[in-house]
Amino acid sequence: NAGVTQTPKFQVLKTGQSMTLQCAQDMNHNSMYWYRQDPGMGLRLIYYSASEGTTDKGEVPNGYNVSRLNKREFSLRLESAAPSQTSVYFCASMPDGSYNEQFFGPGTRLTVL
Amino acid sequence: GDSVTQMEGPVTLSEEAFLTINCTYTATGYPSLFWYVQYPGEGLQLLLKATKADDKGSNKGFEATYRKETTSFHLEKGSVQVSDSAVYFCALNDYKLSFGAGTTVTVRA
Repeated sequence: NAGVTQTPKFQVLKTGQSMTLQCAQDMNHNSMYWYRQDPGMGLRLIYYSASEGTTDKGEVPNGYNVSRLNKREFSLRLESAAPSQTSVYFCASMPDGSYNEQFFGPGTRLTVL
Repeated sequence: GDSVTQMEGPVTLSEEAFLTINCTYTATGYPSLFWYVQYPGEGLQLLLKATKADDKGSNKGFEATYRKETTSFHLEKGSVQVSDSAVYFCALNDYKLSFGAGTTVTVRA
């Protein structure tokens, strides 16, 4: 099992450009998540998807959109990137059942100039 | 809402020293508690977890006990190694995951 995979690993954008971060998991989990990690702030939830076809906003959704393409894939889109979106982005998935741990991908380091 | 507060870093230790990272939480329900570790350039990995009061999670020499009366889940290791240098995150799951800010630990040889 590859677990949770993310592409790309690194990306540099100019302000106003758009891009999509890809995430896939092969563990047959229903729940998937997108977080951003900023120094001194831990991880903050951007969006999550409890099952295929559903998505919900997290703590910091502004400036982002998501698509739950199928059970395996959950993408995050920046329509018009801003310097404030410079961050490390992590995708995670979680098995069904109460209070389980989440499994994380290796992250995408995004810089917006 | 739910929240996690953990000890601020950075923490610098010598090899074989004792490590404690304090973590306290606020939750309306009965959450599961976790410690995740992030090594440089990598994603988060689960280090240990506890799902109910008085449970002790342990892994790789690290331990943490779920203390409901003090709403705490402090991480301890008796003798750290250089390879334990990482960022440690306390987290709780009470229908969604909430993270602390992370504590950077550096162990010097």
